[in-house]
Amino acid sequence: GIQVEQSPPDLILQEGANSTLRCNFSDSVNNLQWFHQNPWGQLINLFYIPSGTKQNGRLSATTVATERYSLLYISSSQTTDSGVYFCAVLNAGNNRKLIWGLGTSLAVNP
Amino acid sequence: DAGVIQSPRHEVTEMGQEVTLRCKPISGHDYLFWYRQTMMRGLELLIYFNNNVPIDDSGMPEDRFSAKMPNASFSTLKIQPSEPRDSAVYFCASSRTVTEAFFGQGTRLTVV
Repeated sequence: GIQVEQSPPDLILQEGANSTLRCNFSDSVNNLQWFHQNPWGQLINLFYIPSGTKQNGRLSATTVATERYSLLYISSSQTTDSGVYFCAVLNAGNNRKLIWGLGTSLAVNP
Repeated sequence: DAGVIQSPRHEVTEMGQEVTLRCKPISGHDYLFWYRQTMMRGLELLIYFNNNVPIDDSGMPEDRFSAKMPNASFSTLKIQPSEPRDSAVYFCASSRTVTEAFFGQGTRLTVV
């Protein structure tokens, strides 16, 4: 089945720094989402981005479907950005199972 | 829109007891998913429904787990009898046919 790999697994930033998180996937996808799981455990949708680029405030994401990767950019990081960032994809086809990466654990220090 | 609503938020129960988790999906969403999250295994899809019909329950760990969706606005996940190894956070999510999934706040289950 499709494999989803995220990097780096862990990241520590000083407040105000920028970062790029990467998600590689091994097959064609028709759905890619980025989620943030905050320290209280809530899973929050960040982007639905099967292709192209989207921006939402300090966050932006780019998916290059032909090259099978997606990037999540966090600019001017804040302590509230801490948590785990997950990438999840849906294979092209009828199966609705999201395939999840293991996540990038981000800690932003004041 | 209120989002996906799960109840209870926290549940502590004794081993052997029946546990029922509840989920109200976002109105108009035709897919509903039940996930379990643990430190050891991460996020696992247990089962998903399309238009109230179970489509794939291959992630349900064993017969002690069952899920129902009697109508478009309500689903339950039941564990009977519960065991300590069932302790986890259980998430419900919903989506339209080909768009993103939205998650509820989860139910933290502790079986003692």
